[in-house]
Amino acid sequence: NAGVTQTPKFQVLKTGQSMTLQCAQDMNHEYMSWYRQDPGMGLRLIHYSVGAGITDQGEVPNGYNVSRSTTEDFPLRLLSAAPSQTSVYFCASSPPEGNRAFFGQGTRLTVV
Amino acid sequence: GQQLNQSPQSMFIQEGEDVSMNCTSSSIFNTWLWYKQDPGEGPVLLIALYKAGELTSNGRLTAQFGITRKDSFLNISASIPSDVGIYFCAGPYSGAGSYQLTFGKGTKLSVIP
Repeated sequence: NAGVTQTPKFQVLKTGQSMTLQCAQDMNHEYMSWYRQDPGMGLRLIHYSVGAGITDQGEVPNGYNVSRSTTEDFPLRLLSAAPSQTSVYFCASSPPEGNRAFFGQGTRLTVV
Repeated sequence: GQQLNQSPQSMFIQEGEDVSMNCTSSSIFNTWLWYKQDPGEGPVLLIALYKAGELTSNGRLTAQFGITRKDSFLNISASIPSDVGIYFCAGPYSGAGSYQLTFGKGTKLSVIP
């Protein structure tokens, strides 16, 4: 059972480049979310989705776009990468009941 | 926004010792979640609490949902080297579900063999 799968695991970008972080879950969960984790910080919510076609902003959405065309996938797009976006990014999925989230292994992104 | 304050920030303990850490908030939470993160990995759910006063165990781990609904505690008994990691408390933003979690900054646990 794969759970939540994130790709790539590591990425280095130049300032101004764009890229998409992939997230897929095989648990048929309605809810999916993206978080970023910076040193000494807890995870902060970037964007979330409560179902296919429905997305909304979290605490730190600037510089990121999301879409949710299927239940399984929730990609995160950086349109023009900035050094401040250097971070570890985690995708999570949740069933509607139980108020619990399951996380992927993360993507470590460095913007130079 | 809602903030979760975790303490201590870090702990160094001897193998076999018991560990206590807590999480407090100025806001009421309806759910408290405790996660553990190993280096290079994503957070893994340890315990979920849903009711004020609830005490839940998972092996050597025990967590409690505070009566005021503004705090939670995690205890680890008889620590072992594989307990090393960062422990996070988390809860849904007010009125939201598990798709909108707010996290504490974590307690980093080191176990000395």
